Amino acid sequence: DTEVTQTPKHLVMGMTNKKSLKCEQHMGHRAMYWYKQKAKKPPELMFVYSYEKLSINESVPSRFSPECPNSSLLNLHLHALQPEDSALYLCASSPGQRTTYEQYFGPGTRLTVT
Amino acid sequence: LAKTTQPISMDSYEGQEVNITCSHNNIATNDYITWYQQFPSQGPRFIIQGYKTKVTNEVASLFIPADRKSSTLSLPRVSLSDTAVYYCLVGVKDSNYQLIWGAGTKLIIKP
Repeated sequence: DTEVTQTPKHLVMGMTNKKSLKCEQHMGHRAMYWYKQKAKKPPELMFVYSYEKLSINESVPSRFSPECPNSSLLNLHLHALQPEDSALYLCASSPGQRTTYEQYFGPGTRLTVT
Repeated sequence: LAKTTQPISMDSYEGQEVNITCSHNNIATNDYITWYQQFPSQGPRFIIQGYKTKVTNEVASLFIPADRKSSTLSLPRVSLSDTAVYYCLVGVKDSNYQLIWGAGTKLIIKP
């Protein structure tokens, strides 16, 4: 199984809401990533978990809170977002953290903040 | 400042060979160069990866010169379905290690 799944596919939330994005992989990968992608831009790395520990936080605002409950699951908790946070949120996994390893991406969650 | 540079867009025709180059001056010594393809509203998809010289798989070739400061993705005999955005990804080492994505090259294939 080489699939990374993400739920929901689409999410519309108000600035006062709390919501969560979910990501799952069953490839035994030990690195998992959250990216944010705006239209016509490359993916922008937000967080990396390596062996279930947060290894990279690219100075992401605290209104985004990642969680890695186990080696197969990755969550992104959202609270008090701004309209400029509207984007495609991508999850990826790889056997390890460096570019030596191919990243497998999920289809993304299209987030709209109103 | 660690960065990568790719052409913003390219056009070609079905059946032609397309070459897309990415420059990456600060590539980390032990890291690979990876290329991804992305269609609208989908996650990026791995195409090919290499460390040096030439790598070929069933969909593409990757050429990397000895200094590894650039790489060229070669797509042989493109078709309309190759219309997509292509990104290079490298690990770079300045004061710390970073994964750096190129800005992406929008490739449009015409009939």
